[in-house]
Amino acid sequence: DIQMTQSPSSLSASVGDRVTITCRSSQTIHNYLSWYQQKPGKAPKLLIYVASTLQGGVPSRFRGGGSGTEFTLSINSLQPEDFATYYCQQTYITPPSFGGGTKVQIK
Amino acid sequence: EVQLVESGGILVQPGRSLRLSCAASGFSVDGYAMHWVRQAPGKGLEWVSGISWNSDTMDYVDSVRGRFIISRDTAKNSLYLQMNSLRAEDTAMYYCARDKLARLGNGWGFEDWGQGTLVTVSS
Repeated sequence: DIQMTQSPSSLSASVGDRVTITCRSSQTIHNYLSWYQQKPGKAPKLLIYVASTLQGGVPSRFRGGGSGTEFTLSINSLQPEDFATYYCQQTYITPPSFGGGTKVQIK
Repeated sequence: EVQLVESGGILVQPGRSLRLSCAASGFSVDGYAMHWVRQAPGKGLEWVSGISWNSDTMDYVDSVRGRFIISRDTAKNSLYLQMNSLRAEDTAMYYCARDKLARLGNGWGFEDWGQGTLVTVSS
Protein backbone atom coordinates (compact mmCIF):
# COMPACT_ATOMS: atom_id res chain seq x y z
CA ASP A 1 0.00 0.00 0.00
CA ILE A 2 1.08 3.59 -0.63
CA GLN A 3 1.59 5.72 2.49
CA MET A 4 0.74 9.41 2.32
CA THR A 5 2.43 11.85 4.70
CA GLN A 6 1.22 15.41 5.14
CA SER A 7 3.06 18.26 6.81
CA PRO A 8 2.53 20.17 8.91
CA SER A 9 -0.23 18.46 10.87
CA SER A 10 -1.51 21.88 11.89
CA LEU A 11 -0.71 25.51 11.28
CA SER A 12 -1.92 28.89 12.45
CA ALA A 13 -2.37 31.71 9.99
CA SER A 14 -4.14 35.01 9.59
CA VAL A 15 -6.68 36.15 7.05
CA GLY A 16 -4.76 37.30 3.98
CA ASP A 17 -1.78 35.00 4.56
CA ARG A 18 -0.44 32.52 2.03
CA VAL A 19 -0.14 28.98 3.33
CA THR A 20 1.40 25.86 1.83
CA ILE A 21 0.75 22.25 2.79
CA THR A 22 3.02 19.43 1.65
CA CYS A 23 2.05 15.84 0.88
CA ARG A 24 4.54 13.05 0.19
CA SER A 25 3.85 9.56 -1.09
CA SER A 26 5.90 6.46 -0.26
CA GLN A 27 6.27 5.67 -3.97
CA THR A 28 5.57 7.49 -7.18
CA ILE A 29 1.93 8.25 -7.86
CA HIS A 30 2.69 10.29 -10.99
CA ASN A 31 0.05 13.04 -10.76
CA TYR A 32 -2.78 10.98 -9.25
CA LEU A 33 -3.19 13.21 -6.24
CA SER A 34 -6.34 14.89 -4.94
CA TRP A 35 -6.87 17.49 -2.23
CA TYR A 36 -9.96 17.81 -0.03
CA GLN A 37 -11.23 20.37 2.45
CA GLN A 38 -13.27 19.27 5.45
CA LYS A 39 -15.03 21.52 7.93
CA PRO A 40 -16.24 20.25 11.33
CA GLY A 41 -19.32 18.07 11.09
CA LYS A 42 -19.30 18.15 7.29
CA ALA A 43 -18.30 15.78 4.52
CA PRO A 44 -15.04 16.37 2.67
CA LYS A 45 -15.11 18.53 -0.43
CA LEU A 46 -12.93 17.89 -3.47
CA LEU A 47 -10.73 20.91 -4.23
CA ILE A 48 -8.09 19.70 -6.68
CA TYR A 49 -7.52 16.53 -8.68
CA VAL A 50 -4.69 15.13 -10.77
CA ALA A 51 -2.38 17.29 -8.67
CA SER A 52 -3.22 20.68 -10.13
CA THR A 53 -6.68 20.75 -11.71
CA LEU A 54 -9.18 22.88 -9.82
CA GLN A 55 -12.56 21.27 -9.21
CA GLY A 56 -15.46 23.31 -10.57
CA GLY A 57 -16.58 26.11 -8.26
CA VAL A 58 -13.38 26.13 -6.20
CA PRO A 59 -11.81 29.61 -5.87
CA SER A 60 -8.62 30.25 -7.82
CA ARG A 61 -6.72 31.12 -4.63
CA PHE A 62 -6.32 27.36 -4.18
CA ARG A 63 -3.43 25.94 -6.17
CA GLY A 64 -2.01 22.44 -6.36
CA GLY A 65 1.37 21.38 -7.66
CA GLY A 66 3.91 18.59 -7.77
CA SER A 67 4.33 15.19 -9.31
CA GLY A 68 5.98 11.89 -8.54
CA THR A 69 6.19 11.73 -4.75
CA GLU A 70 5.98 15.34 -3.58
CA PHE A 71 2.96 17.61 -3.85
CA THR A 72 1.80 20.93 -2.46
CA LEU A 73 -1.47 22.71 -1.82
CA SER A 74 -1.17 26.48 -1.58
CA ILE A 75 -3.87 28.88 -0.51
CA ASN A 76 -3.25 32.48 -1.49
CA SER A 77 -4.82 35.24 0.59
CA LEU A 78 -6.47 33.00 3.19
CA GLN A 79 -10.16 33.77 3.71
CA PRO A 80 -12.24 33.16 6.87
CA GLU A 81 -14.05 30.27 5.17
CA ASP A 82 -10.73 28.51 4.45
CA PHE A 83 -10.09 27.59 8.08
CA ALA A 84 -10.60 23.82 7.92
CA THR A 85 -8.74 20.53 7.72
CA TYR A 86 -7.14 19.57 4.42
CA TYR A 87 -6.40 16.04 3.24
CA CYS A 88 -4.40 14.73 0.32
CA GLN A 89 -5.27 11.41 -1.31
CA GLN A 90 -3.48 9.28 -3.85
CA THR A 91 -5.76 7.78 -6.49
CA TYR A 92 -3.06 5.94 -8.42
CA ILE A 93 -3.76 2.47 -7.04
CA THR A 94 -6.14 0.94 -4.52
CA PRO A 95 -6.39 1.41 -1.64
CA PRO A 96 -6.67 5.14 -2.48
CA SER A 97 -5.01 6.26 0.75
CA PHE A 98 -5.37 9.60 2.47
CA GLY A 99 -2.81 11.69 4.27
CA GLY A 100 -3.25 12.36 7.97
CA GLY A 101 -4.65 15.84 7.46
CA THR A 102 -3.53 19.42 8.07
CA LYS A 103 -5.65 21.62 10.28
CA VAL A 104 -5.50 25.29 9.31
CA GLN A 105 -6.39 27.42 12.32
CA ILE A 106 -6.84 31.11 12.90
CA LYS A 107 -3.83 32.80 14.47
CA GLU B 1 -28.32 17.94 -8.72
CA VAL B 2 -26.24 15.04 -7.43
CA GLN B 3 -27.26 13.82 -4.01
CA LEU B 4 -26.04 10.92 -1.86
CA VAL B 5 -27.95 9.97 1.28
CA GLU B 6 -26.54 7.34 3.61
CA SER B 7 -28.57 5.40 6.14
CA GLY B 8 -28.33 2.35 8.38
CA GLY B 9 -25.84 3.49 10.98
CA ILE B 10 -26.73 2.53 14.55
CA LEU B 11 -25.26 1.39 17.86
CA VAL B 12 -24.44 -2.31 17.46
CA GLN B 13 -22.70 -4.91 19.60
CA PRO B 14 -19.31 -6.36 18.63
CA GLY B 15 -19.61 -9.40 16.40
CA ARG B 16 -22.95 -8.36 14.95
CA SER B 17 -23.76 -7.36 11.34
CA LEU B 18 -25.07 -4.19 9.78
CA ARG B 19 -25.90 -3.03 6.27
CA LEU B 20 -25.35 0.56 5.23
CA SER B 21 -27.24 2.04 2.30
CA CYS B 22 -26.51 5.02 0.09
CA ALA B 23 -29.35 6.31 -2.06
CA ALA B 24 -28.16 8.26 -5.09
CA SER B 25 -30.01 10.81 -7.16
CA GLY B 26 -29.03 13.06 -10.03
CA PHE B 27 -26.88 10.38 -11.68
CA SER B 28 -26.76 6.61 -12.23
CA VAL B 29 -24.61 4.57 -9.85
CA ASP B 30 -23.70 2.24 -12.71
CA GLY B 31 -21.95 5.07 -14.53
CA TYR B 32 -19.26 5.73 -11.94
CA ALA B 33 -17.00 4.01 -9.47
CA MET B 34 -18.43 4.33 -5.98
CA HIS B 35 -16.73 4.21 -2.59
CA TRP B 36 -17.21 4.01 1.15
CA VAL B 37 -14.90 6.17 3.28
CA ARG B 38 -14.95 6.26 7.07
CA GLN B 39 -13.77 8.64 9.75
CA ALA B 40 -13.36 7.55 13.35
CA PRO B 41 -14.26 10.22 15.94
CA GLY B 42 -11.59 12.93 15.92
CA LYS B 43 -9.48 11.08 13.34
CA GLY B 44 -8.66 11.32 9.65
CA LEU B 45 -10.24 9.84 6.56
CA GLU B 46 -9.87 6.14 5.72
CA TRP B 47 -10.98 4.58 2.46
CA VAL B 48 -12.92 1.39 3.19
CA SER B 49 -14.10 -0.05 -0.10
CA GLY B 50 -14.73 0.75 -3.74
CA ILE B 51 -16.59 -0.74 -6.69
CA SER B 52 -16.08 -0.02 -10.39
CA TRP B 53 -18.88 1.12 -12.66
CA ASN B 54 -19.79 -2.36 -13.86
CA SER B 55 -19.01 -4.13 -10.56
CA ASP B 56 -16.23 -6.19 -12.13
CA THR B 57 -13.70 -4.74 -9.70
CA MET B 58 -14.19 -4.39 -5.97
CA ASP B 59 -11.55 -3.74 -3.37
CA TYR B 60 -11.26 -3.29 0.37
CA VAL B 61 -8.86 -1.92 2.92
CA ASP B 62 -7.04 -4.83 4.58
CA SER B 63 -8.70 -4.25 7.97
CA VAL B 64 -12.18 -5.03 6.58
CA ARG B 65 -11.35 -7.52 3.83
CA GLY B 66 -13.30 -10.73 4.41
CA ARG B 67 -15.77 -8.99 6.74
CA PHE B 68 -17.32 -6.24 4.58
CA ILE B 69 -18.99 -6.56 1.17
CA ILE B 70 -19.71 -3.68 -1.18
CA SER B 71 -22.52 -3.92 -3.71
CA ARG B 72 -24.86 -1.81 -5.78
CA ASP B 73 -28.45 -2.08 -6.98
CA THR B 74 -28.93 -0.25 -10.25
CA ALA B 75 -32.72 -0.58 -10.12
CA LYS B 76 -32.74 1.26 -6.77
CA ASN B 77 -29.79 3.47 -7.79
CA SER B 78 -28.15 2.64 -4.50
CA LEU B 79 -24.83 1.53 -3.02
CA TYR B 80 -24.54 -0.79 -0.04
CA LEU B 81 -21.97 -1.92 2.49
CA GLN B 82 -22.64 -5.18 4.29
CA MET B 83 -20.59 -5.14 7.49
CA ASN B 84 -20.10 -8.44 9.32
CA SER B 85 -18.19 -9.40 12.48
CA LEU B 86 -18.11 -5.79 13.58
CA ARG B 87 -15.37 -4.63 15.92
CA ALA B 88 -14.98 -1.62 18.19
CA GLU B 89 -12.40 -0.21 15.77
CA ASP B 90 -15.09 -0.06 13.04
CA THR B 91 -16.77 2.76 14.98
CA ALA B 92 -16.86 5.73 12.63
CA MET B 93 -18.87 8.03 10.43
CA TYR B 94 -19.28 6.22 7.12
CA TYR B 95 -19.47 8.32 3.95
CA CYS B 96 -20.61 7.23 0.51
CA ALA B 97 -18.71 8.94 -2.30
CA ARG B 98 -18.94 9.13 -6.09
CA ASP B 99 -15.74 8.89 -8.08
CA LYS B 100 -15.10 11.32 -10.92
CA LEU B 101 -14.39 8.28 -13.10
CA ALA B 102 -15.86 4.83 -13.73
CA ARG B 103 -12.82 2.73 -12.88
CA LEU B 104 -10.89 1.94 -9.71
CA GLY B 105 -7.28 3.08 -9.88
CA ASN B 106 -5.70 5.87 -11.93
CA GLY B 107 -8.53 7.97 -10.56
CA TRP B 108 -9.35 11.65 -10.38
CA GLY B 109 -10.74 11.82 -6.85
CA PHE B 110 -14.12 11.63 -5.18
CA GLU B 111 -16.37 14.33 -6.53
CA ASP B 112 -19.53 13.99 -4.44
CA TRP B 113 -20.07 12.87 -0.86
CA GLY B 114 -23.06 12.10 1.32
CA GLN B 115 -23.54 13.55 4.78
CA GLY B 116 -22.49 10.28 6.44
CA THR B 117 -24.08 7.72 8.74
CA LEU B 118 -22.65 6.95 12.19
CA VAL B 119 -21.81 3.39 13.16
CA THR B 120 -20.98 2.75 16.80
CA VAL B 121 -19.76 -0.70 17.80
CA SER B 122 -19.95 -1.18 21.53
CA SER B 123 -21.32 -3.59 24.09
